[in-house]
Amino acid sequence: GQQLNQSPQSMFIQEGEDVSMNCTSSSIFNTWLWYKQDPGEGPVLLIALYKAGELTSNGRLTAQFGITRKDSFLNISASIPSDVGIYFCAGLNNNDMRFGAGTRLTVKP
Amino acid sequence: GAGVSQSPRYKVAKRGQDVALRCDPISGHVSLFWYQQALGQGPEFLTYFQNEAQLDKSGLPSDRFFAERPEGSVSTLKIQRTQQEDSAVYLCASSSGLVKTQYFGPGTRLLVL
Repeated sequence: GQQLNQSPQSMFIQEGEDVSMNCTSSSIFNTWLWYKQDPGEGPVLLIALYKAGELTSNGRLTAQFGITRKDSFLNISASIPSDVGIYFCAGLNNNDMRFGAGTRLTVKP
Repeated sequence: GAGVSQSPRYKVAKRGQDVALRCDPISGHVSLFWYQQALGQGPEFLTYFQNEAQLDKSGLPSDRFFAERPEGSVSTLKIQRTQQEDSAVYLCASSSGLVKTQYFGPGTRLLVL
């Protein structure tokens, strides 16, 4: 089963609003990743974090690797309709990658 | 194409039927992973190959599941005597090495009736 606790489970926001979601784990991970999955497609990598405390941005997306290596958050600023989808956090140790259950984001125009 | 491809994209099987799912990884990627994704859940690890060697199959749910990658490129996930609980999306991912970022294919949606 899932080892990562991802929240919130779903979000309904207005276009232009900022979004924040996070992931916690009982285990330490060496790498944290955030993926987005559209219906009928596989997950697409958004951001990868390799060092504890690292803060990384990719356009309107910002993610941080928690200092304890047991958590990470993803922020999306100024949301747009195409941000709709399911966002997954993932923790990676060597070949072992564990996923959260996902945050389903709905953006109302 | 440049990405991971999977076939078929959709598969409907009768309970008890055997199925084979194919994954073509990104060219040159030595690592290949299979995941199972149930509806409303994140992907769950099934098995991992480095080149042709299956180094971890701890996630395979039963001995009805079998994966191979004989030439270190294309991989096939086979499910024998399918059961309804096998219905899920099966995702394949590849990476250029251990600890490297995994890139996912579009998945095969399996429905067992």
